Amino acid sequence: EDQVTQSPEALRLQEGESSSLNCSYTVSGLRGLFWYRQDPGKGPEFLFTLYSAGEEKEKERLKATLTKKESFLHITAPKPEDSATYLCAVQGASNTGKLIFGQGTTLQVKP
Amino acid sequence: DGGITQSPKYLFRKEGQNVTLSCEQNLNHDAMYWYRQDPGQGLRLIYYSQIVNDFQKGDIAEGYSVSREKKESFPLTVTSAQKNPTAFYLCASSSGQAAADTQYFGPGTRLTVL
Repeated sequence: EDQVTQSPEALRLQEGESSSLNCSYTVSGLRGLFWYRQDPGKGPEFLFTLYSAGEEKEKERLKATLTKKESFLHITAPKPEDSATYLCAVQGASNTGKLIFGQGTTLQVKP
Repeated sequence: DGGITQSPKYLFRKEGQNVTLSCEQNLNHDAMYWYRQDPGQGLRLIYYSQIVNDFQKGDIAEGYSVSREKKESFPLTVTSAQKNPTAFYLCASSSGQAAADTQYFGPGTRLTVL
């Protein structure tokens, strides 16, 4: 069964304090791993798609990396506006069109 | 302005009532999805449709129904058979053209049972 686990559940950082969020996954035939950002009371906003181990993508202070078992979302010198819940999801070969989501990591960045 | 709209933003339902949540997209996407989000849990798939006039059950379809009569629209009905419907409901769409195409989400509808 495809599964996604995110850690930690919650993370508090001081502004400028870099850190990483983890997404561990079990999937038969990874087709894609997706990262989303979700603000309270809003729909998820797409950040990145990673397709194969070794792939990396960057956007402003965020960098996503992928191995065969996990993905990391690295946040460099975060700002208070980076505070949100970050969701990870996978799509496997046996689940065409279906995303399996982790529970999310809620990030709070204090000024 | 291309995107996905959901209405209403907030919805209150009395026990025993059916309610319908609207989802419209103007992205010309073939595939559409409905998810449910509960506190402390990941998004769970209710129904999805990869083409007009066709849809499949997701992981938690019991107590819900959908239709896909137009490419742009994918309404979700929460029936009285759904025992615990209070949740945040999210609609998404994707092109449906690639093996792992990106799903884009609407702003959500928060349903509360009184």
